[in-house]
Amino acid sequence: AQTVTQSQPEMSVQEAETVTLSCTYDTSESDYYLFWYKQPPSRQMILVIRQEAYKQQNATENRFSVNFQKAAKSFSLKISDSQLGDAAMYFCAYWSNAGNMLTFGGGTRLMVKP
Amino acid sequence: DGGITQSPKYLFRKEGQNVTLSCEQNLNHDAMYWYRQDPGQGLRLIYYSQIVNDFQKGDIAEGYSVSREKKESFPLTVTSAQKNPTAFYLCASSTRGFAPYEQYFGPGTRLTVT
Repeated sequence: AQTVTQSQPEMSVQEAETVTLSCTYDTSESDYYLFWYKQPPSRQMILVIRQEAYKQQNATENRFSVNFQKAAKSFSLKISDSQLGDAAMYFCAYWSNAGNMLTFGGGTRLMVKP
Repeated sequence: DGGITQSPKYLFRKEGQNVTLSCEQNLNHDAMYWYRQDPGQGLRLIYYSQIVNDFQKGDIAEGYSVSREKKESFPLTVTSAQKNPTAFYLCASSTRGFAPYEQYFGPGTRLTVT
């Protein structure tokens, strides 16, 4: 079974600074997708960014970018120019067509200091 | 507006009672999912359904039951056999064909059993 590990329960960043959240995963499959979801205090799950395993280029969405290291099975999220609205729980997730379901990491709580 | 609705937002029950959580979607999605989230933790899959009248157990199905009689609806029953039912429950849906990994989440139901 696939596992997703987020080793940082909490992170803190100063407003306008950059922060990186870590995620590692374990899989024997070659065709899969990785995601970062944001869960603000409202608890609504919001998709932040997606990375296809077959793509070598790291995904980018505005201030959010990933560092995808396939051989190391690492998938970190970088948030640039952090804003107060970025404060939330962030979850890393894995999907494969073989498994047909999302597997989530335990989450990282990000605090943004003004 | 297309989306997923879960009702109610907060639900209170006495121990020993079964309770049913509602999940409705008007996105014309084939697949639907139920997740459980405990404080400070990630999401764990309870049940999922790829098509009407068919569903599969996820990682933590014990003490739960589901039905999928209509494409739009996927209710979850928390039975008295569930040892620790107090949690936040999230419903999601996705397509089966193109981009089945892209799950859309409802706002969630907070269940408290005393």
